[in-house]
Amino acid sequence: GEDVEQSLFLSVREGDSSVINCTYTDSSSTYLYWYKQEPGAGLQLLTYIFSNMDMKQDQRLTVLLNKKDKHLSLRIADTQTGDSAIYFCAEKGRQGNLIFGKGTKLSVKP
Amino acid sequence: GAGVSQSPSNKVTEKGKDVELRCDPISGHTALYWYRQSLGQGLEFLIYFQGNSAPDKSGLPSDRFSAERTGGSVSTLTIQRTQQEDSAVYLCASSLGGARRTDTQYFGPGTRLTVL
Repeated sequence: GEDVEQSLFLSVREGDSSVINCTYTDSSSTYLYWYKQEPGAGLQLLTYIFSNMDMKQDQRLTVLLNKKDKHLSLRIADTQTGDSAIYFCAEKGRQGNLIFGKGTKLSVKP
Repeated sequence: GAGVSQSPSNKVTEKGKDVELRCDPISGHTALYWYRQSLGQGLEFLIYFQGNSAPDKSGLPSDRFSAERTGGSVSTLTIQRTQQEDSAVYLCASSLGGARRTDTQYFGPGTRLTVL
């Protein structure tokens, strides 16, 4: 079946790196996504990675993909208070829909 | 250009009433998706349209839920005889659709539905 798992909470200090982890089950997933949701707002696409890549870097964001272990991570360098939000990992389902994890709430302490 | 828009942003209704939620996708996007976000269930996929057709409606939680899309653009999600467990944020997303490999989905701000 299709399932995505993530830890629910992460707390870091401003300036530190944050690493949010995710595992997925569908080995045929071609694209994996990270979305961000700020309080009261919709989902904002942060980045995505194609399954034939191991790593993708975009400014402060680094995505690592271990396809063998079906493990995806999002690293945010120099985390700021404005990064406080819920981060969702997602894989593509068979209808093209996104299958989301429950989300990781990132709290950044000054 | 304009993003995905949804209306209303908030809807409070009484149990047993019908509600209609509207989604305006990004212009030119042929694919449209409805999701529901609730505390207990996280983000659930409801239904997908490619153009005006919805090939699979099995994600809809009950036969009280229906959705349509006309003219390949605006979509409405209708919930009949609302129940308290229908309270959630209903999110719409659109994408270019077709055979594109990435086919990134862009989300609207959602409609918060509260059933009293």
